[in-house]
This record gives sequence, C-alpha cells and structure tokens, in this order.
Amino acid sequence: EAQVTQNPRYLITVTGKKLTVTCSQNMNHEYMSWYRQDPGLGLRQIYYSMNVEVTDKGDVPEGYKVSRKEKRNFPLILESPSPNQTSLYFCASTSAGAEGLQPQHFGDGTRLSIL
Amino acid sequence: QQPVQSPQAVILREGEDAVINCSSSKALYSVHWYRQKHGEAPVFLMILLKGGEQKGHEKISASFNEKKQQSSLYLTASQLSYSGTYFCGTELINLYNFNKFYFGSGTKLNVKP
Repeated sequence: EAQVTQNPRYLITVTGKKLTVTCSQNMNHEYMSWYRQDPGLGLRQIYYSMNVEVTDKGDVPEGYKVSRKEKRNFPLILESPSPNQTSLYFCASTSAGAEGLQPQHFGDGTRLSIL
Repeated sequence: QQPVQSPQAVILREGEDAVINCSSSKALYSVHWYRQKHGEAPVFLMILLKGGEQKGHEKISASFNEKKQQSSLYLTASQLSYSGTYFCGTELINLYNFNKFYFGSGTKLNVKP
C-alpha cells in the first residue's frame, strides 16, 4: 500500500531536548516536504527536498534541520526545541515533473508539544 | 507569498452551492486544491495548470485564471461529506528549478442537514 509514515504520532517533551520526527515513503518519490499547521495559519512549509542530498528552506525553517540521505527517508530534527514549535507537523511526498509537482501524499501527522 | 483564500468560513445547508476563492500576488505556475477533515491529513482534490482550464471531480470543480492569478473552487449541491477545511496551494519555481510550495490559510466549510 502506498503510504507516508511518520513517527511518533504524539510527543510531549521539554524545552531544549533534541528530538527527531521520522518520515518514510514507499512510492519512490523524489520530492519530500515538511509542513507545520497552526490554527488560522494553514500549512506552512518548513523544508523540502527535491532528491537525495538536495534540500532547501521553506517558508519557516528557523529552528529546524533536515537531511535526505536516502530517497525514502526525510527526518525532521529539532536540535533545541522551544515552546513556539508546539504544532501539528505533516510530512508529504510527491513526484516533480515537467508540469510541476504532482499531488502530495501526506503522513498522518505528528502532534508535538514542547513545555 | 502565501495565497489568500476567501471566505475564511462558510456554513451551508445540504444541497446549497459554495465558491471558495484563492488569489496570489505572484505569477502562478499551477494551483492545487486539498480538503482536510478534522483530525486527519489533507487529501488531494485536483491540480489546475496554466491555461485557464476547468477541472471537475463529481460535484466539485475548479477554474484557474492565470491572468488574474486566481483560482476558484465550486462545490455544487453540497453534501454532508463536503464538510472540512479547503486549502489551495501554489508552487513557485526558483532559479535553481526548486519547487517551493505555499498553502493558503484555509476555508472552513460546514454543511448542515
């Protein structure tokens, strides 16, 4: 079954404690992306990756890191989390062709609370 | 860079129609539409490319006016299952041919019996 898998689904942690949210897709997609969703602000892109070892900042990259060492995996790293990073996070993947991005497939989301 | 959606919220009775608008200050390469039910991930509805074409998906269709940098989503004879938050999304291709993606802030649609 084609899917994007995120882990964990829920996490409560404290300020400054490094954490990683994993994302894996089984559709051989080149393009992967992380979004955060906050009430009234919609989904905002944090980082995206066009392919292995090719990443770029989205709209709200401050405080986050990513890596793309393998095509299927795109982890999101918070080196020193702060309360303003409390949010709902989604990973997504898709193909990118001559006509631009194809439909994005989303993971189920990770609800992150930083105390 | 984020596209602007209007209205922010709509309440409908079953069977009524609705239009959701999406506009951008930047030239649009394409417009994507997604729907998100409460507590779930966004689900793809349709993509519109340059050319002003109109696409349809059952009783949900959309148009794209690239000159006005606007897209509209039309929901006809709404059903209870149409309730949710609708997002438009646009991509901007930079000098390196990288595709940054922007979602609008969403339109919350509530269809009542």
